[in-house]
This record gives sequence, structure tokens and C-alpha cells, in this order.
Amino acid sequence: KQEVTQIPAALSVPEGENLVLNCSFTDSAIYNLQWFRQDPGKGLTSLLLIQSSQREQTSGRLNASLDKSSGRSTLYIAASQPGDSATYLCAVSRGNQGGKLIFGQGTELSVKP
Amino acid sequence: KAGVTQTPRYLIKTRGQQVTLSCSPISGHRSVSWYQQTPGQGLQFLFEYFSETQRNKGNFPGRFSGRQFSNSRSEMNVSTLELGDSALYLCASSLGHSNQPQHFGDGTRLSIL
Repeated sequence: KQEVTQIPAALSVPEGENLVLNCSFTDSAIYNLQWFRQDPGKGLTSLLLIQSSQREQTSGRLNASLDKSSGRSTLYIAASQPGDSATYLCAVSRGNQGGKLIFGQGTELSVKP
Repeated sequence: KAGVTQTPRYLIKTRGQQVTLSCSPISGHRSVSWYQQTPGQGLQFLFEYFSETQRNKGNFPGRFSGRQFSNSRSEMNVSTLELGDSALYLCASSLGHSNQPQHFGDGTRLSIL
């Protein structure tokens, strides 16, 4: 049974700091991994999707990496801003179950001005 | 391009009642997935519909059911409501291929009294 873990559960950093969020999964037979952010009272916003054959994806100040063999992914946020404050979730899917995502519990990020 | 639309945004019901939630996907998306989000269990997959057929199913009791119409809009029904069904119900749509990201609506907040 696939399990996804995110550590830490909460993180507080000063504005401008670079930071890394971690995601680990127990079954390496994934098809892709997706990172989302969720603002309070809102749905999820897709940030990055990494296919199992890829090692990383970048979008603006965000960079996500994937190491299937070790069951790990990281989300790197450069030059953090107060607007980055949100809960960040990672989710994995298997190839034959495209619509079924298995989520971690999330990391609640607070960026202080 | 309009995003995923979920209605209603908020619902209050009492135990034993039933409820129907609606989800309109992004235009052109054929896959609709439903998730339940609670503070204790996090995000859990309910089911996925693709071209009007249920393609994947999570581990929820039969009180939770869904359907998809020919225009890809989807409804989720919960019968005989229990206090534990109080949650944020999120719908996500995608093109339906496993290498495509899922896009989420803002959810329906269901409260059971």
C-alpha cells in the first residue's frame, strides 16, 4: 500500500530565505508526482508535475526533483515571499490509475515579512 | 478559460439526510475525480469518472456514489449522512491521461449537525 509522508508538518521562515520541502513515498512504482499548494478555505493549485522518467521540473522560483529509487521528492522555493505562505502537498499516481492521487499530509509554510 | 466549478460552496445537513454535490470540469476535460479532505485523514480519493464510466474507486462505503454526464459534469451523492462525513469535498478534472496534471475546484464544505 502506497504511503506518502511530508516532513516537516509546519515550517516558518523569514522572507527572502531559500527553503526545501520534503516528500517521501513507500512504493517506487509511481507514474508521476505532483506538487500543489492550498490556501486556507480554497482548493488545490497545481504547481509542478514530474513524470517518473524525469528528474526535475522548474517553474519560476520553484524547482521540484524526483528520485524514484529512494522514494523521495523535494520542492525548492527560492527567495521566499509572504505570498508563498500556504500548505504544500505532494501526491503520487500510478500509471493505470491516472485519476487516483495519493496525498501526503502537507507542510504548512509561513513566510514572515 | 474557466476553472473547475463546484456547487454549492457550503452545505449544512443533519444526520440521516442525503446530499448531492456538483462539479463542472474545465472545458475539454473528460476525467473528474472526487476527494474528501478532513483534518484527521487529510485528502482521500473517493472515485474517478472518465467518459461517463467509473474508472477508479477508493475505499469508501457504498453511501458515497457518483455519476458523470455526457458533458463531463459530475455529481457526487452521499446518503444517510453521518457526523463523520463533515469535510471539504474537492473535485478535480484533467484530460484523462496519466501524464496530465489534475486541476482542482475550491470545494464544497459539508457540515453535518
